[in-house]
Amino acid sequence: AQSVTQLGSHVSVSEGALVLLRCNYSSSVPPYLFWYVQYPNQGLQLLLKYTSAATLVKGINGFEAEFKKSETSFHLTKPSAHMSDAAEYFCAVILNSGNTPLVFGKGTRLSVIA
Amino acid sequence: GAVVSQHPSWVICKSGTSVKIECRSLDFQATTMFWYRQFPKQSLMLMATSNEGSKATYEQGVEKDKFLINHASLTLSTLTVTSAHPEDSSFYICSARAGLSSYNSPLHFGNGTRLTVT
Repeated sequence: AQSVTQLGSHVSVSEGALVLLRCNYSSSVPPYLFWYVQYPNQGLQLLLKYTSAATLVKGINGFEAEFKKSETSFHLTKPSAHMSDAAEYFCAVILNSGNTPLVFGKGTRLSVIA
Repeated sequence: GAVVSQHPSWVICKSGTSVKIECRSLDFQATTMFWYRQFPKQSLMLMATSNEGSKATYEQGVEKDKFLINHASLTLSTLTVTSAHPEDSSFYICSARAGLSSYNSPLHFGNGTRLTVT
């Protein structure tokens, strides 16, 4: 079964610093991969997704992620953190076969320090 | 863009009562809806898959008699927490698949329902 592992339950960065949130996937076939953001007591907002096209995916709010098959990774980055980026981030995977649901990682809480 | 409306956004109920949560796709038809549960500071765990016109498929460990799911139309799925207990307190989120019942079809999330059982 497919799964994702997010390294680091909490990441803290200074405002203006690079944001790097790590996600590794496990899947028997190349999966579709997603990053979502969740603000307190709210639903999920899609940041970006990889669906076997370009390996470097650009999303909203200045985020991007690169699919690296050799490393089974899909890390999320942003060159310069803003205070408004503080939130919970979830990496998710979907098996590209059938009517399957998203499977989420455990999440990484991003704190941005002024 | 596609909108999924989840109602109520929060609810407080007494132990032993039942609570119904609605998930509506406002501008598209959703043949499949997924229900997730999220405990504080934890990830989203899939509870069940709901297909319009058929019985829901529950994940292992989820009590189908406690969490009743109905997907009677292409735009509405409901989750009823029966005889709620404090341990059922959680954040429940629905996700609706637009278009074909395929991994290729986009998924849209509701804003979640915060359930507190006293």
